[in-house]
Amino acid sequence: KQEVTQIPAALSVPEGENLVLNCSFTDSAIYNLQWFRQDPGKGLTSLLLIQSSQREQTSGRLNASLDKSSGRSTLYIAASQPGDSATYLCAVRPGSARQLTFGSGTQLTVLP
Amino acid sequence: DVKVTQSSRYLVKRTGEKVFLECVQDMDHENMFWYRQDPGLGLRLIYFSYDVKMKEKGDIPEGYSVSREKKERFSLILESASTNQTSMYLCASSLAHYEEQYFGPGTRLTVT
Repeated sequence: KQEVTQIPAALSVPEGENLVLNCSFTDSAIYNLQWFRQDPGKGLTSLLLIQSSQREQTSGRLNASLDKSSGRSTLYIAASQPGDSATYLCAVRPGSARQLTFGSGTQLTVLP
Repeated sequence: DVKVTQSSRYLVKRTGEKVFLECVQDMDHENMFWYRQDPGLGLRLIYFSYDVKMKEKGDIPEGYSVSREKKERFSLILESASTNQTSMYLCASSLAHYEEQYFGPGTRLTVT
């Protein structure tokens, strides 16, 4: 059974710092991986989707990488801002499945 | 932009009541999903639908049923609400099952 782990569970950084969030998964047979952002009490906002054939995807200050063979993905946030404070979740889609398997998230706080 | 809406942001119901949670998407997506999110347990899939009148059980379907009579609308039904169904309920949709999932704002349900 696919398991998705995100470490650390919480991270606090000063504004302007570049940072990396980590996601690991146990079964490398994935179709794609999606990164989300969730603000307190709200739904999930999709940030990036990486297909299994891709190595990375970029959107603005965000860059997500995927290393399927090692079962790892990272989300790089450049020049962090207080507005980036949220919980970041990664989710993988196993090759044959319709549904996503989610990690438990990393709660990011960017201090002004 | 994809828009997924949920009928209520907050809902309070009594034990034993029948509860309907509604989700509507406006992008002609084939697939729709219902998740619940609980502290320490993350997001777990309850049911999903890949076409009108078609549904499949997710990881935790017990105590729930669903209805999809029209493509844009997916309803989650709690036949007899119990206190252990107090949770945040999130609806999502995607064009194809392997494509990006878009989430609604969530419904915080409290069963007393």
